[in-house]
Amino acid sequence: EAGVAQSPRYKIIEKRQSVAFWCNPISGHATLYWYQQILGQGPKLLIQFQNNGVVDDSQLPKDRFSAERLKGVDSTLKIQPAKLEDSAVYLCASSISLAGGPNEQFFGPGTRLTVL
Amino acid sequence: QQQVKQSPQSLIVQKGGISIINCAYENTAFDYFPWYQQFPGKGPALLIAIRPDVSEKKEGRFTISFNKSAKQFSLHIMDSQPGDSATYFCAASISTGRRALTFGSGTRLQVQP
Repeated sequence: EAGVAQSPRYKIIEKRQSVAFWCNPISGHATLYWYQQILGQGPKLLIQFQNNGVVDDSQLPKDRFSAERLKGVDSTLKIQPAKLEDSAVYLCASSISLAGGPNEQFFGPGTRLTVL
Repeated sequence: QQQVKQSPQSLIVQKGGISIINCAYENTAFDYFPWYQQFPGKGPALLIAIRPDVSEKKEGRFTISFNKSAKQFSLHIMDSQPGDSATYFCAASISTGRRALTFGSGTRLQVQP
């Protein structure tokens, strides 16, 4: 079974530029998450999708971050304009999400963003 | 109330020793408690998980101990090996609705040969 795919793996941009990340979840996984992991910290949720609908985006800085999940499969996360504090690893995760079942989330390798 | 507190921040253990990492949570609605292992440059990988209806779960050298009344859970790595050197994260979530994981701050484990 193929895992969660993410691209690019690394990105370096200047502050105020824009950047986009792509995620392809495990086939059949209805729920997709984007997490931000700042160096030395645990991942923090940015947004959660169930199929192509947003379940939770309460911690997404909506003035600069946006995300979409077209057709309930792939997802893109965009930052525009980027700030220095956005330097982090952006992790995508997916889960099957059977009602009442274990919430096993599988993570991709992440995209390491450096904002100069 | 969504916090998960993890300790220690770093841990050095000799090969063959026992590594113990502790976590405490506040939200009593949490009902799923996984541990993730992360190597440099990789995403977190699910190691072992427990539900609050059991007090202990063992998978190979890895054991989760869960204390519901104290709102604490811990990871024990028996016979620690140099290949176990990684960062470990505890996490918690609710099985319905918003199912996103709330992570601890991580423990960097170094197993010396």
